Amino acid sequence: EVRLVQSGAEVKKSGESLKISCKASGYSFSHYWIAWVRQMPGKGLEWMGVIYPGDSDVRYNPSFQGQVSISADQSRYTAYLQWSSLKASDSAMYYCAKSDFWSGKLDSWGQGTLVTVSS
Amino acid sequence: EIVLTQSPGTLSSPPWERATLSCRASQSVDSSYLAWYQQKPGQAPRLLIYGASSRAAGIPDRFSGSGSGTDFTLTISRLEPEDFAVYYCQQYGSSPLTFGGGTKVEV
Repeated sequence: EVRLVQSGAEVKKSGESLKISCKASGYSFSHYWIAWVRQMPGKGLEWMGVIYPGDSDVRYNPSFQGQVSISADQSRYTAYLQWSSLKASDSAMYYCAKSDFWSGKLDSWGQGTLVTVSS
Repeated sequence: EIVLTQSPGTLSSPPWERATLSCRASQSVDSSYLAWYQQKPGQAPRLLIYGASSRAAGIPDRFSGSGSGTDFTLTISRLEPEDFAVYYCQQYGSSPLTFGGGTKVEV
């Protein structure tokens, strides 16, 4: 069974750094893409970017390029989403999801990580 | 960037009725790379339909997708109580991948 388990909720202050995680099991982690999707409170879904853990190829949505960093650790079967300096507008739920291709459908999802940033 | 417009924003319908949700793209979606997701309150989205009309694993056959080019439809043939949720379309034919704003299906 494919499972994506995300790290727990975070409460941070503006300007702080943060790295959230998405641990995969039940499939060959290195051979499928992991995407990150943002959902702001009461709003819709936004595709942020995607990584191929096998070679760390990363593609970003231009709207998020330079705002976040996506990485993966094959040895830990884990993908990461990172901020160097959080803003209040980063407060949202963040989901990871598995995909066959960098531009593929999102066929399995993590449970989400809620990030709250206070100013 | 392809903009997806979903309508209606909210669909009020009693159980057991048929529901038809629309997703219109600002430009043609390559190879019908159009997916539908269901999201219930407090849960992650779940893939229902991909390739415009193929059901994902484990999805009941009361869910069906159709369309091509710029106009796509999700049909729920007979609404079950567990189907009341928000539905999103997504195009994955060109970067950046984009989602529609969602249709809330309520009683």
